Amino acid sequence: AIRMTQSPSSFSASTGDRVTITCRASQGISSYLAWYQQKPGKAPKLLIYAASTLQSGVPSRFSGSGSGTDFTLTISCLQSEDFATYYCQQYYSYPLTFGQGTKVEIK
Amino acid sequence: QLQLQESGPGLVKPSETLSLTCTVSGGSISSSSYYWGWIRQPPGKGLEWIGSIYYSGSTYYNPSLKSRVTISVDTSKNQFSLKLSSVTAADTAVYYCARLDSGGSRRPLGRDAFDIWGQGTMVTVSS
Repeated sequence: AIRMTQSPSSFSASTGDRVTITCRASQGISSYLAWYQQKPGKAPKLLIYAASTLQSGVPSRFSGSGSGTDFTLTISCLQSEDFATYYCQQYYSYPLTFGQGTKVEIK
Repeated sequence: QLQLQESGPGLVKPSETLSLTCTVSGGSISSSSYYWGWIRQPPGKGLEWIGSIYYSGSTYYNPSLKSRVTISVDTSKNQFSLKLSSVTAADTAVYYCARLDSGGSRRPLGRDAFDIWGQGTMVTVSS
C-alpha cells in the first residue's frame, strides 16, 4: 500500500496568514492526489483533485501543487472558516489511502 | 442534487456483523459510470478506505479488511450496503458512504477521489 505522510500534524495560525501543508507519498503517484477539509462532526469535503484542480465551489484562496511524491496545499489568506483538519488522499492505486491529517488551529 | 445517507444500527456486539446501507437520492446509482465507496473514521483518528463497488457489482476492498468485508448494491432500491463481520472494539468508528469521482473523470476501476459524501453514521462495538 502507498503510505501518505502529512506534515505538520498540527499547527496554529492567525486569520490572514498564508499556510502550507505538505503531503508525501511513499512512491510516485503522478498527480492522482486529492485534498479534503473536515470540520468537527462533519464529513470531509473535497477541495482539490488531480493535485491542483479546484473542486467546484471551493474558494480560490485554496491551491494545490506537486506531482510524483511531493505535494502541497496552500491557503493564501486564512479565513475563520478554514480552521479545520485537512487530509490528502492518493488514488493512483488500490488500496486508496489517506494521510493522517493536519489540524489547523487558531493562534 | 445528489445526496447520500447512511443508515443502520448504532450499536453492534463484539463478534457480530455490522450492517449499513447507503441510500442515494437525486440520481440513479446505475445510470452513470460511478463507483461508490465506504470509508470509516475511528473517534479522534484519520480516514480509512474500506471498499468500493460499481453498479454492476464489481468490488474492490482494502486488503486490511478484505476477509471480513462484503459490499453489495441494490439498483432497484438505489442503495449499496456494507457488511463487516466479526467486529471488535477496533471497528468502532463513524462510517461514511461516498461517490468516487473527480471532475467527471470516472477513473478506471474506481480509483478516484471522493466527491460527494454522506453525513456519516457512528457505530459503536460494545457488549
